[in-house]
Amino acid sequence: EAGVTQFPSHSVIEKGQTVTLRCDPISGHDNLYWYRRVMGKEIKFLLHFVKESKQDESGMPNNRFLAERTGGTYSTLKVQPAELEDSGVYFCASSQYVQGNEQFFGPGTRLTVL
Amino acid sequence: AQKITQTQPGMFVQEKEAVTLDCTYDTSDPSYGLFWYKQPSSGEMIFLIYQGSYDQQNATEGRYSLNFQKARKSANLVISASQLGDSAMYFCAMREGSGNQFYFGTGTSLTVIP
Repeated sequence: EAGVTQFPSHSVIEKGQTVTLRCDPISGHDNLYWYRRVMGKEIKFLLHFVKESKQDESGMPNNRFLAERTGGTYSTLKVQPAELEDSGVYFCASSQYVQGNEQFFGPGTRLTVL
Repeated sequence: AQKITQTQPGMFVQEKEAVTLDCTYDTSDPSYGLFWYKQPSSGEMIFLIYQGSYDQQNATEGRYSLNFQKARKSANLVISASQLGDSAMYFCAMREGSGNQFYFGTGTSLTVIP
């Protein structure tokens, strides 16, 4: 069974540009989560999808971030326009149940904004 | 306030020795789950062990055990017989009650010395 995959693994962009990160959850997992780790700090929750619906987007930092999950399969996270403080590692996770014992994490996308 | 605190940014352990990675948590919810994840240099987040707040016994998974002290609100990870492959970043996380998001600590970087 394939795990959670994320693309790209690394992205380097200039301030003001747009970047789109993609996450493919484990097949059959209705729940998809985005997290972010800024250098040296804790991993922080961004948002949670149940199928194609946003269940909780309380962690989204501002309106420069837009997450979608059309069709309830893969998800994209777009940052437009990117700022220096957006640099970090963006993790995606999925789970079959919200109350399950674990969330399965992808390897993350390392975003560097110059 | 920080919900998960990991006070050890870096730890060293001799191969074949045991090591304890500290984690304290803060919640007023009587129902919660505690998790440990390992992140090797390759980037993926690997689930190690889970402890529920109502579990009577400390969780164990192979060489990993969780020293759960509810009154102290601590959930330390114990790795026995350390191996070189245990060198990685370790994250403690918590999910509260029926919540959907994980709260993470800042992580502990473990280096196993041959």
